[in-house]
Amino acid sequence: GQQLNQSPQSMFIQEGEDVSMNCTSSSIFNTWLWYKQDPGEGPVLLIALYKAGELTSNGRLTAQFGITRKDSFLNISASIPSDVGIYFCAGPDQTGANNLFFGTGTRLTVIP
Amino acid sequence: DAGITQSPRHKVTETGTPVTLRCHQTENHRYMYWYRQDPGHGLRLIHYSYGVKDTDKGEVSDGYSVSRSKTEDFLLTLESATSSQTSVYFCAISDRYYEQYFGPGTRLTVT
Repeated sequence: GQQLNQSPQSMFIQEGEDVSMNCTSSSIFNTWLWYKQDPGEGPVLLIALYKAGELTSNGRLTAQFGITRKDSFLNISASIPSDVGIYFCAGPDQTGANNLFFGTGTRLTVIP
Repeated sequence: DAGITQSPRHKVTETGTPVTLRCHQTENHRYMYWYRQDPGHGLRLIHYSYGVKDTDKGEVSDGYSVSRSKTEDFLLTLESATSSQTSVYFCAISDRYYEQYFGPGTRLTVT
């Protein structure tokens, strides 16, 4: 299947710092989604992007749809302890049924 | 939050036994999915459904079957469980624009 490469694989940051992570694909996407998974729970949709160059915010989170349509970025400002978790990017599988490919995730640890 | 429940939430079973996991939604979404999540592999699609009685295979479908007899229920069956099927299983639903909403997961251990 499609490979979505997320970087970094893990991050350790101090509370209050800003965070930046990205996701790249070998194919052009017309949609990018970002999810967060808390320990022991299912992934939760954070932000969906539908247009190249689009910048969308959800509170302290901001995601961007890269101009090349092969990448996307997620930024978290002023991190807090509850930001801990795994962040996944996802892009559409063009075979239909709203299927998605998921990246392998960026694990974020926030040190109080 | 989307109304998705999974049952059971935890299960331990022996190799060779059949296992059925249930996903139930109250959102009337058209599409339903089963994923497995393993360390180092992220989320991998097992099977999906695009309507009642309409299902198709995903990336890792070997050893699994599914059924959807009602809009709200999507069942995943392991006909004869193996240790390689020890995993966390997630159900998801979707109705538009690739936005999928996940259930809380089922942790399955095959001994």
